[in-house]
Amino acid sequence: AQSVTQLDSQVPVFEEAPVELRCNYSSSVSVYLFWYVQYPNQGLQLLLKYLSGSTLVESINGFEAEFNKSQTSFHLRKPSVHISDTAEYFCAVSEGGSYIPTFGRGTSLIVHP
Amino acid sequence: KAGVTQTPRYLIKTRGQQVTLSCSPISGHRSVSWYQQTPGQGLQFLFEYFSETQRNKGNFPGRFSGRQFSNSRSEMNVSTLELGDSALYLCASSLGRASTGELFFGEGSRLTVL
Repeated sequence: AQSVTQLDSQVPVFEEAPVELRCNYSSSVSVYLFWYVQYPNQGLQLLLKYLSGSTLVESINGFEAEFNKSQTSFHLRKPSVHISDTAEYFCAVSEGGSYIPTFGRGTSLIVHP
Repeated sequence: KAGVTQTPRYLIKTRGQQVTLSCSPISGHRSVSWYQQTPGQGLQFLFEYFSETQRNKGNFPGRFSGRQFSNSRSEMNVSTLELGDSALYLCASSLGRASTGELFFGEGSRLTVL
C-alpha cells in the first residue's frame, strides 16, 4: 500500500526567501504525483502534478516540483515566496489505475514580512 | 465551467442529531469522493461514488453513509453525531474513468457538533 510522508508540519520563512516543502512516498508501482494548496476556510486546489514526461513540473505562480524516482520524492520549491503563499500544502500520490489518491498530513507554510 | 459546489458551508448541530451534506460535482464528472479534515488527523477518505455505486470506502463507522444520484450529485449523512465528528467535510469530483487520481475539490462544509 502506498503512503505519503510530509516531513515538516510547519515551515516558517521570510518573504522573498526560498522555500522547499518535502514529500516522500512509498509505492512499488508507477505513480502520479500531486501538490494541492489550501487557503484558510477553502477547499484544496491543485497546484501542480506529475503524470509522465519531464520530471520537473511548474505551476503558474512560480512553484516547481521534481519527481525523483530513485529517492521516491516529490519536493515542492519556490525561489522567492510572497505573503500570499501562506497556506497549507498537501502532497498526494495515486498509483496507476487507482481512483483514490493518498494524501500526506500537510505542511503549513507561514510567510513572515 | 462551474466548480464543485457544497452546501451548506457552515452548520452547527448537537450530539445525537444527524446531518446531511450535499455536493454537486463539475459537469461531466461522474465520480464523487468525500473526505473528513480535522487538525489532528489531516485528510481522511470517507467514500467514493461512481455512477450511483459506492466504489471505494474508507475506514469510518456505519454512522457515515452516502449516496449518489443519477445526475452525479452526492449526499453524505452522519447519524448520531458525536463531538469528534466536528470537522471540515470536503467533496471532490473527477471524471472517474481511466483516472489519474486528480481531484477537484469544493470549499467544504464545516460541521460543528456541540
